Amino acid sequence: KAGVTQTPRYLIKTRGQQVTLSCSPISGHRSVSWYQQTPGQGLQFLFEYFSETQRNKGNFPGRFSGRQFSNSRSEMNVSTLELGDSALYLCASSLGTSGGAYFGPGTRLTVL
Amino acid sequence: GENVEQHPSTLSVQEGDSAVIKCTYSDSASNYFPWYKQELGKGPQLIIDIRSNVGEKKDQRIAVTLNKTAKHFSLHITETQPEDSAVYFCAASKGGGSQGNLIFGKGTKLSVKP
Repeated sequence: KAGVTQTPRYLIKTRGQQVTLSCSPISGHRSVSWYQQTPGQGLQFLFEYFSETQRNKGNFPGRFSGRQFSNSRSEMNVSTLELGDSALYLCASSLGTSGGAYFGPGTRLTVL
Repeated sequence: GENVEQHPSTLSVQEGDSAVIKCTYSDSASNYFPWYKQELGKGPQLIIDIRSNVGEKKDQRIAVTLNKTAKHFSLHITETQPEDSAVYFCAASKGGGSQGNLIFGKGTKLSVKP
């Protein structure tokens, strides 16, 4: 099976702009979770979607939002970008009912 | 909320030696504990996981132990090889592995010297 894919792999934005990241899960997986990875804070959970519904949410401001489509693909949106949003954004897919979570390669976002 | 502490932050071993990484968690309701390996420029790779109804699990050179009473779990790598060099993360969740809200430790950078 193909792994988790994320697009784009790299993004450069300026403060105040918004950005949309995309994640395609492993075929058959219905859960997609998003994580932010930074050198200072490590890996932090953003939110999880299962069957098009947000099932869990981490402690991030409302500028971070997401959605999931009927084919389980997911998008994450960050509005009004801040310098501190520069990070590697990772998505992970799982069956959602059992088994582990498998990560994609991430999208490296740089905010200038 | 759940907090996961991981030690050590860096670990250097000689090829062939064993490596042990330890994690503690704070929420006694946590019941799923995966370990991930992250190489430079890649996403974390699931290498082994354990559920709270199991005390130990082994997969070739990798083993994980869980002590629910003490709320800690450990990763053991035997006969280390240079390709084991990477950053390792432990994580915990309450979803039994069915839900994606993993809480991660800060990571351990393992260096295996030939």
